[in-house]
Amino acid sequence: DAKTTQPPSMDCAEGRAANLPCNHSTISGNEYVYWYRQIHSQGPQYIIHGLKNNETNEMASLIITEDRKSSTLILPHATLRDTAVYYCIVRVSGNNDMRFGAGTRLTVKP
Amino acid sequence: DVKVTQSSRYLVKRTGEKVFLECVQDMDHENMFWYRQDPGLGLRLIYFSYDVKMKEKGDIPEGYSVSREKKERFSLILESASTNQTSMYLCASSLEKGTGGPFFGPGTRLTVL
Repeated sequence: DAKTTQPPSMDCAEGRAANLPCNHSTISGNEYVYWYRQIHSQGPQYIIHGLKNNETNEMASLIITEDRKSSTLILPHATLRDTAVYYCIVRVSGNNDMRFGAGTRLTVKP
Repeated sequence: DVKVTQSSRYLVKRTGEKVFLECVQDMDHENMFWYRQDPGLGLRLIYFSYDVKMKEKGDIPEGYSVSREKKERFSLILESASTNQTSMYLCASSLEKGTGGPFFGPGTRLTVL
């Protein structure tokens, strides 16, 4: 599975959009981009995933560049409860495990 | 919603004890996983199972065993707990086919004294 690069930390003001970047320049054609988050002392929570089209659900939007070498997770109106570590992972569909890196620690401030 | 539950949120055991960590999922998922998470080391895969009675070693299986007698239940066993097995243990499940998940349980924080 391809590796990902994320900034170690980011801040965001409450109510503003949080844009979390991820680089995955070695991604293969059959690898999906997944995003998870982990709030302190809890299990990782699935957020969203995509292959090449942009995706949106009730939690977030995922924007994948046309060359698929990077993506951005967007939390449209960040709240204090969105403070967490966010993980970007790329993997082949059906692959039997997820490889988590260090992620980005997002702090939402009042 | 997918639900993955783990038997305990916090557990304290003594060195040498046999420890059972239970995980149950309610979405008829074929795949189930056990990870441990330690500061600075991230999540590491211990074992996974893609079917009842089937198991595969992950990256760090030493000192652990697993049991999957029913599709919904995946147990992690520490045959003789040691202090270096103090960690957060996370269970997850996913469908065999399809791209969603895996979905994680809340975790069990195990302390071995």
